[in-house]
Amino acid sequence: QQQVKQSPQSLIVQKGGISIINCAYENTAFDYFPWYQQFPGKGPALLIAIRPDVSEKKEGRFTISFNKSAKQFSLHIMDSQPGDSATYFCAASMLRGSSNTGKLIFGQGTTLQVKP
Amino acid sequence: DGGITQSPKYLFRKEGQNVTLSCEQNLNHDAMYWYRQDPGQGLRLIYYSQIVNDFQKGDIAEGYSVSREKKESFPLTVTSAQKNPTAFYLCASSPRPLPYEQYFGPGTRLTVT
Repeated sequence: QQQVKQSPQSLIVQKGGISIINCAYENTAFDYFPWYQQFPGKGPALLIAIRPDVSEKKEGRFTISFNKSAKQFSLHIMDSQPGDSATYFCAASMLRGSSNTGKLIFGQGTTLQVKP
Repeated sequence: DGGITQSPKYLFRKEGQNVTLSCEQNLNHDAMYWYRQDPGQGLRLIYYSQIVNDFQKGDIAEGYSVSREKKESFPLTVTSAQKNPTAFYLCASSPRPLPYEQYFGPGTRLTVT
């Protein structure tokens, strides 16, 4: 119930294309869903995050789509660029009351390669 | 220049030896976290601390120990009881628990042979 399943494991996209990474969760108590971006040899960095009271959040070329009934959320990278080549992690957590320990449950990660 | 520092970047140890990984932050953050990253498994939480002198086990605490004697420091000891210690270890901090962003350090790659 604490797992977050992420797919695909790897993704190759042409420059200018759309990259789509999907995540699914089981625990309906999760109410915070961030995406982290990690470049080789570096620590992850927060990219964008969503709460379940909205179905979509957009920041520049990055959009999170959230489907509460299906317990799924996805990251869309529009106009993908070679500089977007990195590993992307979805995560989930609970913000409510004493459940808010800051504990993030991460997906397995997706390695994205954007070809020039 | 604020941030999180982890040292060393690469660490090699013989099996049976304890090893301590350093994590220091000058962001004045209350909360600190240790994660382990293995290929194909994402990041898994080892220990976390929300305030000085207090810490809790994460999902994979067995074979690890931590201390939080100072706000800016959260060292992780990988003991000989950890069955598969070779991994990439990441330290993170945040000003408060979520939804505040967790800021990650550059990581330490530990190899035990």
